[in-house]
Amino acid sequence: DGGITQSPKYLFRKEGQNVTLSCEQNLNHDAMYWYRQDPGQGLRLIYYSQIVNDFQKGDIAEGYSVSREKKESFPLTVTSAQKNPTAFYLCASSTQTGGPTGTQYFGPGTRLLVL
Amino acid sequence: AQSVTQPDIHITVSEGASLELRCNYSYGATPYLFWYVQSPGQGLQLLLKYFSGDTLVQGIKGFEAEFKRSQSSFNLRKPSVHWSDAAEYFCAVGVGSGGYNKLIFGAGTRLAVHP
Repeated sequence: DGGITQSPKYLFRKEGQNVTLSCEQNLNHDAMYWYRQDPGQGLRLIYYSQIVNDFQKGDIAEGYSVSREKKESFPLTVTSAQKNPTAFYLCASSTQTGGPTGTQYFGPGTRLLVL
Repeated sequence: AQSVTQPDIHITVSEGASLELRCNYSYGATPYLFWYVQSPGQGLQLLLKYFSGDTLVQGIKGFEAEFKRSQSSFNLRKPSVHWSDAAEYFCAVGVGSGGYNKLIFGAGTRLAVHP
């Protein structure tokens, strides 16, 4: 079955610690995205990547970093610079159509909590 | 600036009743519109999308949505709600940005279903 997997389901971060959220897709999609979801605010884009070894900042990239070394993988690191990291993080992927018509498909999410 | 407004934060309906969830968008060009559904603690599932053509779009789970350009709206409807429809619903508009498909989400509408 094709899809997007995210791990872990729950992640706990201590003060000053960097943590990495995993996102893997076997849909052969070119583009991948990371969103942050807070109650009452919908989803906000953190980073996106259209191809391997290339990625761009979204609307709320401060305190986060990503890499795209393989087409199927797009890990997100929440750094110690992110002062309010508690949120639900969603990864998505889509075919790269060069326009806004590519449908994004979402993983099950990772909930990050601060200890 | 592009934006999506979902005026209703919470809606409660009785099982078997009809449902309409409102969505208004602000976007200067032709909008590409999506409705997603999210069960608690889960990722987002695509219900339906509108790119062009017939303004009444059919989706999964018996949902439909109507695009009205004159009202900048894309309301989601279902003639008879089932208890399993209780979830959070997100409207989104796809915008072209540097050759990739960016989604702008509304804040969501949480649907409760009374037996």
